[in-house]
Amino acid sequence: GAGVSQSPSNKVTEKGKDVELRCDPISGHTALYWYRQSLGQGLEFLIYFQGNSAPDKSGLPSDRFSAERTGGSVSTLTIQRTQQEDSAVYLCASSSQTSGGPLQETQYFGPGTRLLVL
Amino acid sequence: KNQVEQSPQSLIILEGKNCTLQCNYTVSPFSNLRWYKQDTGRGPVSLTIMTFSENTKSNGRYTATLDADTKQSSLHITASQLSDSASYICVVRGNQGGKLIFGQGTELSVKP
Repeated sequence: GAGVSQSPSNKVTEKGKDVELRCDPISGHTALYWYRQSLGQGLEFLIYFQGNSAPDKSGLPSDRFSAERTGGSVSTLTIQRTQQEDSAVYLCASSSQTSGGPLQETQYFGPGTRLLVL
Repeated sequence: KNQVEQSPQSLIILEGKNCTLQCNYTVSPFSNLRWYKQDTGRGPVSLTIMTFSENTKSNGRYTATLDADTKQSSLHITASQLSDSASYICVVRGNQGGKLIFGQGTELSVKP
């Protein structure tokens, strides 16, 4: 079956421009996560959506970063006025975790969007 | 300070050999610990998930162990194959919310 898909796979942009990254989670998965992976670094949590609950935005590094999840499915991560330090791989993951649900839910990751800010 | 520390940072082994990757964590309270494999240019793929009550879990040639008292986990790879070359990431989930805490990974290279 279809896994998590992300688009674009690669994005090169100029400093100061806005970018939108898209994530299509696995159908039926209620939880969706965005992560950032910089070169040589571990994954950094950005934001977490769970069903209709208010998202956990505690990982967003600045107010230039925002994310939406429409209709409980597709999510868009927007970075405004991009900076060179925003260059990284942005990974999306989804899981069937329900709030307070089973401990052993598995997150399925997409292939990532490689963002390069010049 | 990173709450999940992995070692070694990188490792090179010959095909057919065994290896063990280490993960120490300070996350508390602790819900579960996962090992992921991330091939170059791909998203991470889950290998094992263990709760605090589980000491060992296997997935084919991969065996993960967990000592919740010392807050240590290991991933043992048996009879390595060239396709095992990847980054192996230890991930710990605390008891609060859905946030996962990732280690920086161990880069494994299996040579013929």
